[in-house]
Amino acid sequence: DQQVKQNSPSLSVQEGRISILNCDYTNSMFDYFLWYKKYPAEGPTFLISISSIKDKNEDGRFTVFLNKSAKHLSLHIVPSQPGDSAVYFCAASGRYGGSQGNLIFGKGTKLSVKP
Amino acid sequence: DSGVTQTPKHLITATGQRVTLRCSPRSGDLSVYWYQQSLDQGLQFLIQYYNGEERAKGNILERFSAQQFPDLHSELNLSSLELGDSALYFCASSVEAGGSYNEQFFGPGTRLTVL
Repeated sequence: DQQVKQNSPSLSVQEGRISILNCDYTNSMFDYFLWYKKYPAEGPTFLISISSIKDKNEDGRFTVFLNKSAKHLSLHIVPSQPGDSAVYFCAASGRYGGSQGNLIFGKGTKLSVKP
Repeated sequence: DSGVTQTPKHLITATGQRVTLRCSPRSGDLSVYWYQQSLDQGLQFLIQYYNGEERAKGNILERFSAQQFPDLHSELNLSSLELGDSALYFCASSVEAGGSYNEQFFGPGTRLTVL
């Protein structure tokens, strides 16, 4: 039972355009969401996060939007650059019985930004 | 560079064997997490240690075990290896014991190949 879902395994975008990566979750007890970026042969790198009390968090070219009623979050990258080409993982955590606040990851979306 | 180190980077072994993966957390981090990433899968949480004590267990097989030492480095022991254990194993660390608002920082991973 996947609690965090990234339904698009891959996404291709032209350089300079917006990249939108989507993530859905099922557990309403999640209250913190994170995005990680992963290059081949490297570990995931923390990118940006958002708590459930917010609906938007921005850091430079990266913005994460949270829609709690839809249990959906998205990562916007504007403008997209070739160096953004990587696999992006959505993760969630929450303080509820048995969770210990551990991160639950989606399967990732591979973003390709073409020059 | 996340500050989390893992050794070895690659490990090739045979079925039935036992291996030990090592992780050193970021300076100051007390929590260590182990994850497994199989082909086309997201990161699956295995186990967490906080300041030397087991904090949470995820999808960890009984053939696998871990510990965290007084200097806070951690080892993941995999025994009676099977072909299906071939995967990337990541270690992550964080300051807190767990819970929300707690970013985890990942090491570069150990690629285990079981032949």
